[in-house]
Amino acid sequence: GAGVSQSPSNKVTEKGKDVELRCDPISGHTALYWYRQSLGQGLEFLIYFQGNSAPDKSGLPSDRFSAERTGGSVSTLTIQRTQQEDSAVYLCASSPDRGHGYTFGSGTRLTVV
Amino acid sequence: KNQVEQSPQSLIILEGKNCTLQCNYTVSPFSNLRWYKQDTGRGPVSLTIMTFSENTKSNGRYTATLDADTKQSSLHITASQLSDSASYICVVSAGAGSYQLTFGKGTKLSVIP
Repeated sequence: GAGVSQSPSNKVTEKGKDVELRCDPISGHTALYWYRQSLGQGLEFLIYFQGNSAPDKSGLPSDRFSAERTGGSVSTLTIQRTQQEDSAVYLCASSPDRGHGYTFGSGTRLTVV
Repeated sequence: KNQVEQSPQSLIILEGKNCTLQCNYTVSPFSNLRWYKQDTGRGPVSLTIMTFSENTKSNGRYTATLDADTKQSSLHITASQLSDSASYICVVSAGAGSYQLTFGKGTKLSVIP
């Protein structure tokens, strides 16, 4: 596609429920990143995928967070047993190569009530 | 610990006026510094990117400067427009080809008529 597409754009969920956030990167971009933007905070790195290499999961805040990237394209970020502190905007970005030419999606605003 | 500090936190200016946003960083080794514009409800969009050897870079009415010795950068906006109202985020990359970015918390700019 022309840009990075994320869905849903907004998600309200009850505490304790699982949620799945989707990211469709730009076609041909081998690198995909997930970031979290909490209110009043800078973007926080979560996870990085590069081609078929093992992802860098060092930024995932807890084992309730996981992500996968199928076929080197679409990625899904899953948050299990959501907590109120998980409320944030989750941004996905892709780039044609590591560290170059990031394009961000519009994000998913997650609210845990 | 790698950090990026931005000031001011927020700024209100009259349409047509100029303004300058500041960014101080302690990221090592330094690779490049980027300024992003983030409209409300949207993902960040790249304005400029500068490497160690570049002192200034312009993109239309936006001019970024970099002093790698003092580890400071500024973003100057000339003849502001209402559409410039957004958050401006300073982002520093550590190491050549690194995908690990350190984000500032941003400066929220409001341009009023």
